[in-house]
Amino acid sequence: EPEVTQTPSHQVTQMGQEVILRCVPISNHLYFYWYRQILGQKVEFLVSFYNNEISEKSEIFDDQFSVERPDGSNFTLKIRSTKLEDSAMYFCASSGVNSNQPQHFGDGTRLSIL
Amino acid sequence: AQRVTQPEKLLSVFKGAPVELKCNYSYSGSPELFWYVQYSRQRLQLLLRHISRESIKGFTADLNKGETSFHLKKPFAQEEDSAMYYCALRRGQGGKLIFGQGTELSVKP
Repeated sequence: EPEVTQTPSHQVTQMGQEVILRCVPISNHLYFYWYRQILGQKVEFLVSFYNNEISEKSEIFDDQFSVERPDGSNFTLKIRSTKLEDSAMYFCASSGVNSNQPQHFGDGTRLSIL
Repeated sequence: AQRVTQPEKLLSVFKGAPVELKCNYSYSGSPELFWYVQYSRQRLQLLLRHISRESIKGFTADLNKGETSFHLKKPFAQEEDSAMYYCALRRGQGGKLIFGQGTELSVKP
């Protein structure tokens, strides 16, 4: 069964540094998402992406965040200048063209900001 | 505002006992509801969705629009059911998922 893959599995970064989290969605999917889960808290929506543009973003997704689909297969989340509170598990998800199709999640990237 | 509430943070039962994980939602339109399961901090895996009306791993969930609930049930819990369970709501085509706080299910031998 096809899966969403995310790299790296764990990223440790100094505060203030830029970080790029990578995702390869399922190949025929058209909707892409990033969520995050701070330790002990619920999963929170960050951003959704469709037709090469952001379709929705949350309050968390401020100017420090950006997403890109650079080559038709990868879907990246960039945090420009990381803060301690960005430490979380970041999940990528994708879903197909049919609105009935559910979102499939990757294993996540654990981001630790020092 | 759209909201999903899972009132129990932790639910502990013995193997073979019935399980009910509660989920209530707040949404003005026609929601689409899901249960996701997360084993030992692995990926979120889709367990059930209300439009499928199917049973997966012995779990069922019925959407009750009158009570705005989507409780997850299993008649006989197994140790391998121990995991975090998240109820989620989706609005619209390609819409974001709104998650509840999650319920940790612990099934004791």
